[in-house]
Amino acid sequence: AQSVTQPDIHITVSEGASLELRCNYSYGATPYLFWYVQSPGQGLQLLLKYFSGDTLVQGIKGFEAEFKRSQSSFNLRKPSVHWSDAAEYFCAVAPGDTGTASKLTFGTGTRLQVTL
Amino acid sequence: DGGITQSPKYLFRKEGQNVTLSCEQNLNHDAMYWYRQDPGQGLRLIYYSQIVNDFQKGDIAEGYSVSREKKESFPLTVTSAQKNPTAFYLCASSMVGLGNNEQFFGPGTRLTVL
Repeated sequence: AQSVTQPDIHITVSEGASLELRCNYSYGATPYLFWYVQSPGQGLQLLLKYFSGDTLVQGIKGFEAEFKRSQSSFNLRKPSVHWSDAAEYFCAVAPGDTGTASKLTFGTGTRLQVTL
Repeated sequence: DGGITQSPKYLFRKEGQNVTLSCEQNLNHDAMYWYRQDPGQGLRLIYYSQIVNDFQKGDIAEGYSVSREKKESFPLTVTSAQKNPTAFYLCASSMVGLGNNEQFFGPGTRLTVL
């Protein structure tokens, strides 16, 4: 069975500083990987996704993530954080191309706080 | 605008009552999903459906029921058998097929049992 670990429950960074959120997954084959962001009381918005190809993926709002198969990781990065980035971030994994509905497995999330 | 709507945004229920949460999508997606979110536990899959009149249990289906009579609708009923129903419920949808696993989420319904 697939699983996702986000080791950092809570991270605080200063506005303008760089950010890296960690995500490790467990899955036997090549997975599909996702990062979602959630503001308080809201639904989830997709930041970026990895299906195949280039292991460095660009997303919305200036975020990027790198798929490292050897480390089973898919860490999310942003060079300069803005106060509006404060939210909860979820990493998720789904089985690779099955042609059927995807069953996402989510990590427990990392809450990002941004100080001014 | 295409998207997913969930209603109501807030829902209060007395113990022992069943309650139904609505989820509608106009994205023409074949698959729909229901998740439960509790603080510190991420999202857990309750039920999902790949096609009309068919659905499968997720990881925590006990105490919940669903129906899929129309492609655009996937209501979730929280029954009195659900021991701890207070949570934030999220509905999602996706296309089905190779390379189409991205799920789009609704705004959620917060259910509180009094």
